[in-house]
Amino acid sequence: NAGVIQTPRHKVTGKGQEATLWCEPISGHSAVFWYRQTIVQGLEFLTYFRNQAPIDDSGMPKERFSAQMPNQSHSTLKIQSTQPQDSAVYLCASSLGRTTSAETLYFGSGTRLTVL
Amino acid sequence: AQSVTQPDARVTVSEGASLQLRCKYSYFGTPYLFWYVQYPRQGLQLLLKYYPGDPVVQGVNGFEAEFSKSNSSFHLRKASVHWSDWAVYFCAFMSNYNVLYFGSGTKLTVEP
Repeated sequence: NAGVIQTPRHKVTGKGQEATLWCEPISGHSAVFWYRQTIVQGLEFLTYFRNQAPIDDSGMPKERFSAQMPNQSHSTLKIQSTQPQDSAVYLCASSLGRTTSAETLYFGSGTRLTVL
Repeated sequence: AQSVTQPDARVTVSEGASLQLRCKYSYFGTPYLFWYVQYPRQGLQLLLKYYPGDPVVQGVNGFEAEFSKSNSSFHLRKASVHWSDWAVYFCAFMSNYNVLYFGSGTKLTVEP
């Protein structure tokens, strides 16, 4: 079991460019979560899919950020017109997707996004 | 509002000493609570989690935590710290929609 795989590990973009981050959940997991981690804000929840359907995107910035899960084997987080304040480590997590218990979330190693 | 608070941003202990990292929660009802650890440049790894039941939860690598409803706390403990425990520790609660919300983290430094 390779765990949650996030690519790339590091991404550097210029201000105004687009960045796409990829996440491959653990095989058999039906829930995928995206978080953002910064020194100032800590770990922030962004969005959550279960069985590829968006369940909760309450943490997503209203502009420029979007997430998709086109199939059960990967999810993407896209940031349009990146700004320096988008610089952060973006973490993806997956879980079995059961809704009746305290599920363990398994995290990837993250993608460090740097916007120059 | 529902939340967890980690009042200590940094804790330093000597190798071999005991450890307690504090977590206070604010939650309607009885929460599901978690402790995760983050080693340098890595993702988060689960140490332990609390289901309503036995208030003392055993985790990996000798860690345990005790849930206290009267104190609204879920403190993490270890009897003897090892240098490899140098990391950032996060307390978290799970919402009704299975989303984890994290505290601000406590950075543990282990002195030789």
